[in-house]
Amino acid sequence: AQSVTQLGSHVSVSEGALVLLRCNYSSSVPPYLFWYVQYPNQGLQLLLKYTTGATLVKGINGFEAEFKKSETSFHLTKPSAHMSDAAEYFCAVSVGPGGGADGLTFGKGTHLIIQP
Amino acid sequence: NAGVTQTPKFQVLKTGQSMTLQCAQDMNHNSMYWYRQDPGMGLRLIYYSASEGTTDKGEVPNGYNVSRLNKREFSLRLESAAPSQTSVYFCASSEVRGTSGEQYFGPGTRLTVT
Repeated sequence: AQSVTQLGSHVSVSEGALVLLRCNYSSSVPPYLFWYVQYPNQGLQLLLKYTTGATLVKGINGFEAEFKKSETSFHLTKPSAHMSDAAEYFCAVSVGPGGGADGLTFGKGTHLIIQP
Repeated sequence: NAGVTQTPKFQVLKTGQSMTLQCAQDMNHNSMYWYRQDPGMGLRLIYYSASEGTTDKGEVPNGYNVSRLNKREFSLRLESAAPSQTSVYFCASSEVRGTSGEQYFGPGTRLTVT
């Protein structure tokens, strides 16, 4: 079975500063990795995904993440935070396309706070 | 293209009452899912349907039943609601063949059981 650990339930950064949200996973097979964002009272929106190939993946809104197999990590970064980035961020893993019978396994989420 | 739609958006139930949460997708996806979201817990899978006519239990299925009515629709039923089922419920869909299979989520149903 796979699992996801997101370090830090809350992360606070100043507007314009680097955003770094940490995600570590465990999986017995090569994983599919995802970052989702959830704005208040809304559903989840896909930010970016890693399946195979290039380990640095770029997503929407200037976010990117790097898959590091040796570190079992998939940290999310953005060079310069914007007030509109304030939201809940979820890292998720699956062992196959779409998640199959196990669905996606989610981390507990990181609430990103942007200080003016 | 509406994506994944859910009804209702909000619901308050008394303990012991029953209700059905509706979900529909217009992306012609084969797989559909129901998750619940609780504070500090992330999302947890309740049930999964790989295709019309098939359903499988997820991580937290107790107290719930599902029906895959057709390829578009996947409903979640609470037969006798309990306060522990107070949560936000999300439906999702994905295409598992030939793609990376990311899941697309509906806007959620916020359920309170008193």
